[in-house]
Amino acid sequence: GESVGLHLPTLSVQEGDNSIINCAYSNSASDYFIWYKQESGKGPQFIIDIRSNMDKRQGQRVTVLLNKTVKHLSLQIAATQPGDSAVYFCAEKAAGNKLTFGGGTRVLVKP
Amino acid sequence: DSGVTQTPKHLITATGQRVTLRCSPRSGDLSVYWYQQSLDQGLQFLIQYYNGEERAKGNILERFSAQQFPDLHSELNLSSLELGDSALYFCASSGEDTASRAFFGQGTRLTVV
Repeated sequence: GESVGLHLPTLSVQEGDNSIINCAYSNSASDYFIWYKQESGKGPQFIIDIRSNMDKRQGQRVTVLLNKTVKHLSLQIAATQPGDSAVYFCAEKAAGNKLTFGGGTRVLVKP
Repeated sequence: DSGVTQTPKHLITATGQRVTLRCSPRSGDLSVYWYQQSLDQGLQFLIQYYNGEERAKGNILERFSAQQFPDLHSELNLSSLELGDSALYFCASSGEDTASRAFFGQGTRLTVV
């Protein structure tokens, strides 16, 4: 498959443990924040989003936390599975419908 | 499968040439977005079309252009290609005029030699 960035920060996690992926954003005017998962050879896949007027949102096995005070976004994955191995990107959407992506974090799940 | 189709999957061409990348959005989606993903620049938004009209513009070079046709498919034209244009080019589509829940295609890998 394609390699998305050879020098990404990597999070190694044991199968079954929880994962936390962090992201700092820059634009305090962003109104949406989104997490994407990108597996090798595939396009980014939407995981979850959160509006700027919320601080927490839960999905299936995932939780996104937003701290606007320090411009920080995190994605928590519960009971991490081998299929969760991928590169995870945060993105912020400001006015004008432009998404600005973070650099990505590679998650490796160890059996 | 996201429902967004991009062709070709791989493209190898020489510097100075011109190529066209094609995207078919999910059925019913009016918005198409183009992104470039390179090792040094990461994922960058290029341009958005909504129902045939340009809606938002990002870091798109003047050598690049795009359009969306009446059947809603889109093409990204890259001309006077340089080595640094080698990258993955993704198309995404959404049903509304919002980028936050767009679905991505599998991308076109462009290699300029």
